[in-house]
Amino acid sequence: AQSVAQPEDQVNVAEGNPLTVKCTYSVSGNPYLFWYVQYPNRGLQFLLKYITGDNLVKGSYGFEAEFNKSQTSFHLKKPSALVSDSALYFCAVSVNTGGFKTIFGAGTRLFVKA
Amino acid sequence: GAVVSQHPSWVICKSGTSVKIECRSLDFQATTMFWYRQFPKKSLMLMATSNEGSKATYEQGVEKDKFLINHASLTLSTLTVTSAHPEDSSFYICSAKESGTGGPYEQYFGPGTRLTVT
Repeated sequence: AQSVAQPEDQVNVAEGNPLTVKCTYSVSGNPYLFWYVQYPNRGLQFLLKYITGDNLVKGSYGFEAEFNKSQTSFHLKKPSALVSDSALYFCAVSVNTGGFKTIFGAGTRLFVKA
Repeated sequence: GAVVSQHPSWVICKSGTSVKIECRSLDFQATTMFWYRQFPKKSLMLMATSNEGSKATYEQGVEKDKFLINHASLTLSTLTVTSAHPEDSSFYICSAKESGTGGPYEQYFGPGTRLTVT
């Protein structure tokens, strides 16, 4: 079965420190991986994606993610966290079931303290 | 660009009544739209895939007669919750993919609709 796991419900980090939000996946076939962010009272926003090519993907707001096939992971990273990065982050995988649909992880809430 | 709107943003209705939620792609055409339900502190649960001009594809366990989906144009999909009950209270989110992007491309999400059934 296709699935996405985000093992941490919450991640706390101090402003200016690097942050990592973890994601692992289980899919048959090629993995198409995404990160979305949800700010309070706003819709999910696309951050970045891995379809093919370089394992290190750069996205919006200084975020990046590294695709690791052997570890089936796609962790989200940022070198220096901002208070404004505090939000709910979703890892997702797109699967082809006669048309692509997206399966979301449970979400990880990121708190960045000033 | 790539803005998706939802209307209403919140709605309160009485048990037994029906509620319609609209999802519009404002600056692009969307052959495919998706409807999700998000529970508190939970992830998004895909309810159905809405295809313009054809019947929606519902996920297992989602009652198609209760959650009616219509995708009559390339910019509008509607979700009607029929005979609503308190357990239908939830946050409903739609998303859209640009037409011509049939592959694993990113989706653009609406801000969501909070439904409360009393």
